[in-house]
Parts: sequence; structure tokens; C-alpha cells
Amino acid sequence: QKEVEQDPGPLSVPEGAIVSLNCTYSNSAFQYFMWYRQYSRKGPELLMYTYSSGNKEDGRFTAQVDKSSKYISLFIRDSQPSDSATYLCAIGGTYKYIFGTGTRLKVLA
Amino acid sequence: EAGVTQFPSHSVIEKGQTVTLRCDPISGHDNLYWYRRVMGKEIKFLLHFVKESKQDESGMPNNRFLAERTGGTYSTLKVQPAELEDSGVYFCASSQAPGSEETQYFGPGTRLLVL
Repeated sequence: QKEVEQDPGPLSVPEGAIVSLNCTYSNSAFQYFMWYRQYSRKGPELLMYTYSSGNKEDGRFTAQVDKSSKYISLFIRDSQPSDSATYLCAIGGTYKYIFGTGTRLKVLA
Repeated sequence: EAGVTQFPSHSVIEKGQTVTLRCDPISGHDNLYWYRRVMGKEIKFLLHFVKESKQDESGMPNNRFLAERTGGTYSTLKVQPAELEDSGVYFCASSQAPGSEETQYFGPGTRLLVL
């Protein structure tokens, strides 16, 4: 079993839709939770970083962490074609990150 | 402020050859990490430097891989001799604070293809 499970998609949505991306993890020792966005042929770009259960909002993006269920989510409101990318969840315990496989998202104009 | 830079962006080599990848972290970041993504798999941790010292190299696949960070600035990752399964994208990341207390900033990656 992988330490972090993430649905690879692809996920296609119309412009303006609310997108929900999810990951589950197995090790409760993880304390830090990140979402990265990766465009084709680019490196991962940090979107959200949190270390507590609950919600964290930044513009159109909301990260949600439920430590009791070992479940993390990223919500994108009013999705735009420019949001089309691969979204990676990452879990951090000590110093190294453990990544999910990434979900490919396509927002259709 | 310049981000993490990596060189080269692409490398195509033949099996048995040697390749050296370079990473320049964000200025002032003592922590430097190497990760790798092989086709269809998730990004996986290779190793972690604090300044010039290796803190954890548990993710290094085998002794064909050698990472160095002389002087605590840029880092190199050498693969010698390269094998077909070494193909993938090698990412470098850096952070100022140790551990996961501060997020890691990633470079654009080096795409390595071993033929």
C-alpha cells in the first residue's frame, strides 16, 4: 500500500466549476500537508501549505485536512482554463515529502 | 529573488555513460533535497543535505548515484554508469528551515533519458 493515495484522473470540468481533489494517507505521524501545482514540463509550484486539521483558504483555493480520517482535499472555486495542470498532494513528517501520483485536471473553456 | 535552478533541462545519454546534474538552491537556503519521478510513478525522495552534510540518503537507489554539495551551495548528482531504469525527471528543492517546518521550493527538473 502506498503511503499517499491520489486519484490520477484525468478530471475534466467546465470553466467556472468547483473542483475537488483528494488524497488519503496512511501514516498518522505526518504533520504537514501541501498541495503543489505542476504545469507540463515545469517543476511543482506550491499552492497550499498547512499543518493543522481544518480549512485554509487562499483566493479561489481551499485546502482541507482531516487528520482523524487521514484525508486531505483541495477545492478550486470558479475554475479557469489556466488551472489546467497536474495537482500533487504531499505529506511531510520530518524533512522529506511523500507525494501522491498527482491528479491531471483539465478545465474546459 | 531567483528560484531553484537546475542544469541541464534535458539530457539524453546511452546506457553505461555518466551524467552529472546540477542544482542551485535559493540563496540562503541551507537545506537541499533531491527527488526523482520515473514514468507513471510519484515523485520520490532521494536525499537531503543540510549545508554540505548529507542528512539522509535513504532514497538513493544504489551506489551508482553520488550526490555532493561542496561548500554548501550548489549540489551535483552524478549517475555512473547510467542504466535504462534511471530515466525520469530529477527535481531539486530547497528550504531555509530544517525539516518540514518551511515548505520546499522546487526547481524545474532535469529530464534524463537513458537509451
